[in-house]
Amino acid sequence: AQKITQTQPGMFVQEKEAVTLDCTYDTSDPSYGLFWYKQPSSGEMIFLIYQGSYDQQNATEGRYSLNFQKARKSANLVISASQLGDSAMYFCAMRGGTSYDKVIFGPGTSLSVIP
Amino acid sequence: DGGITQSPKYLFRKEGQNVTLSCEQNLNHDAMYWYRQDPGQGLRLIYYSQIVNDFQKGDIAEGYSVSREKKESFPLTVTSAQKNPTAFYLCASSIELSSGELFFGEGSRLTVL
Repeated sequence: AQKITQTQPGMFVQEKEAVTLDCTYDTSDPSYGLFWYKQPSSGEMIFLIYQGSYDQQNATEGRYSLNFQKARKSANLVISASQLGDSAMYFCAMRGGTSYDKVIFGPGTSLSVIP
Repeated sequence: DGGITQSPKYLFRKEGQNVTLSCEQNLNHDAMYWYRQDPGQGLRLIYYSQIVNDFQKGDIAEGYSVSREKKESFPLTVTSAQKNPTAFYLCASSIELSSGELFFGEGSRLTVL
């Protein structure tokens, strides 16, 4: 069965510093997609970044980059130059394998940015 | 503006009552989804739909029902058979079932009194 693991329930980072949020995934299929979402306290889920399993380069979107290590089944999110508005829950998600019509989510990591 | 609209944002229900959560999208997306989120947890898939008049059970479909009579609309009914319905419900859509990121609504928070 496919599974997403996020081992950091809570993280703290100083404003303007970089932070890495961990995500590991489990699938036996070679074709899959990985996503990161941000959920502020308002509850809405905001799409941040996408990485396809066949993409040769790590995905980047502004201050967000995805450190994709396929052999280790790792897709860590790196946020550079943290801002107070980055304080939120962050979810790693995957679409693929035997369940390409579904997107499954990890348990999330709560990030707090300290001024 | 294109997007997904969920209503109501907050809903209170007495035990034994059915309640329907609305989800409308104007993104022209084929696929729509319902997720449930409990405090401090990730999202769990309830139902999803690829096209009109077709939908599939997700991982926690028991006690829920859906319909997809129009492409734009995917309402979720929380029935009295759902043992623990108090949760945050999120509706999402994607261009098609097998690809693309999910676009989410703002969510509906259901509380059973």
